[in-house]
Amino acid sequence: GAGVSQTPSNKVTEKGKYVELRCDPISGHTALYWYRQSLGQGPEFLIYFQGTGAADDSGLPNDRFFAVRPEGSVSTLKIQRTERGDSAVYLCASSLSTSQRDTGELFFGEGSRLTVL
Amino acid sequence: AQSVTQLGSHVSVSEGALVLLRCNYSSSVPPYLFWYVQYPNQGLQLLLKYTSAATLVKGINGFEAEFKKSETSFHLTKPSAHMSDAAEYFCAVTRMDSSYKLIFGSGTRLLVRP
Repeated sequence: GAGVSQTPSNKVTEKGKYVELRCDPISGHTALYWYRQSLGQGPEFLIYFQGTGAADDSGLPNDRFFAVRPEGSVSTLKIQRTERGDSAVYLCASSLSTSQRDTGELFFGEGSRLTVL
Repeated sequence: AQSVTQLGSHVSVSEGALVLLRCNYSSSVPPYLFWYVQYPNQGLQLLLKYTSAATLVKGINGFEAEFKKSETSFHLTKPSAHMSDAAEYFCAVTRMDSSYKLIFGSGTRLLVRP
């Protein structure tokens, strides 16, 4: 597709349930990022993939959160035993480069809004 | 540690008036600085970026920002607001040695009055 695609756009779940959020980056972009945006806040970094591997997962809040990118393209963010505090918009972004000499522009998807009841 | 402060969660201007959105950063190392815009029901879009070249940076849609190291500021301006500029604007900073990790401010919602 032309841009970063995220599904579902909206997800309502009950506390304690398992949730998967999917991101399809721009074709050819090797770098993929997940951010979380809580109400009234700016996006917060969660994890960054270069290819198939997680190069930096320092932003994941706890071990209930996990993300994969098995073939270096589509990524899935997985949240176990969801809590009400997990309610937020989860943003995915991709970029061609993360080179220091060529700070890669991040292209963001529209986000997946997660509501935990 | 790095941080970004955006003064004013909401800014309202008349159409045709000057737009000024404030951003101050804190960084112990030379930063890269960015402004992103989020239109309703759309993803974040890069407006402009500072990466240690010219301190006055021009972006899309007539926006520009000036990096002032002495003031640790990177304010966003546009001489004449248009109705289509109504959106939420985010300032962000990264470290040069980890430029993939954006630290965002809390955002400023720009309202443009006819």
